[in-house]
Amino acid sequence: TQLLEQSPQFLSIQEGENLTVYCNSSSVFSSLQWYRQEPGEGPVLLVTVVTGGEVKKLKRLTFQFGDARKDSSLHITAAQPGDTGLYLCAGAGGSNYKLTFGKGTLLTVNP
Amino acid sequence: SAVISQKPSRDICQRGTSLTIQCQVDSQVTMMFWYRQQPGQSLTLIATANQGSEATYESGFVIDKFPISRPNLTFSTLTVSNMSPEDSSIYLCSVANLFETQYFGPGTRLLVL
Repeated sequence: TQLLEQSPQFLSIQEGENLTVYCNSSSVFSSLQWYRQEPGEGPVLLVTVVTGGEVKKLKRLTFQFGDARKDSSLHITAAQPGDTGLYLCAGAGGSNYKLTFGKGTLLTVNP
Repeated sequence: SAVISQKPSRDICQRGTSLTIQCQVDSQVTMMFWYRQQPGQSLTLIATANQGSEATYESGFVIDKFPISRPNLTFSTLTVSNMSPEDSSIYLCSVANLFETQYFGPGTRLLVL
């Protein structure tokens, strides 16, 4: 069974601060996806990373996939209240199209 | 990405009753999945909905409790049977084409009294 450890579980910061969320596993994933979920809504895809060592940027968000494709990070620069939400990482493994989800990081950005 | 809708968006049900949740996609997709998300928790996969055949259930989930239909490539239903308060959750469907990213519906919020 593949497991994905996500940390921190809760994060409360002030507007303008930077933060990093981590997802780690002992398993290799063929790809890893990051989602953001706001209260009352379904998860919305932010990015998919596929290649080991890959870095993708989405405005103030930077996503990195580890060289060995076992871990990933999400870094947010100058966080804003609109970034508040539940951030979920999810790994896809080999020929198995199913996703393994981390436990999520509940981010609160205070104005 | 596909546009996914779910009905109902929320419901309050009495214990012992059943609720059927619908998931509709605006284009044909290969894969459809059903997840449960308990309050403050991450997502747990219930089953993969297979078109024209029985769904594939994950450990801890059984067909008698969560019967699933998928009559075509754009539609699926999940029934939560003989509900108890422990079934209070958000139920989410997701869709994907083979080995591609999964996209999620808006979810159905279920409260069982």
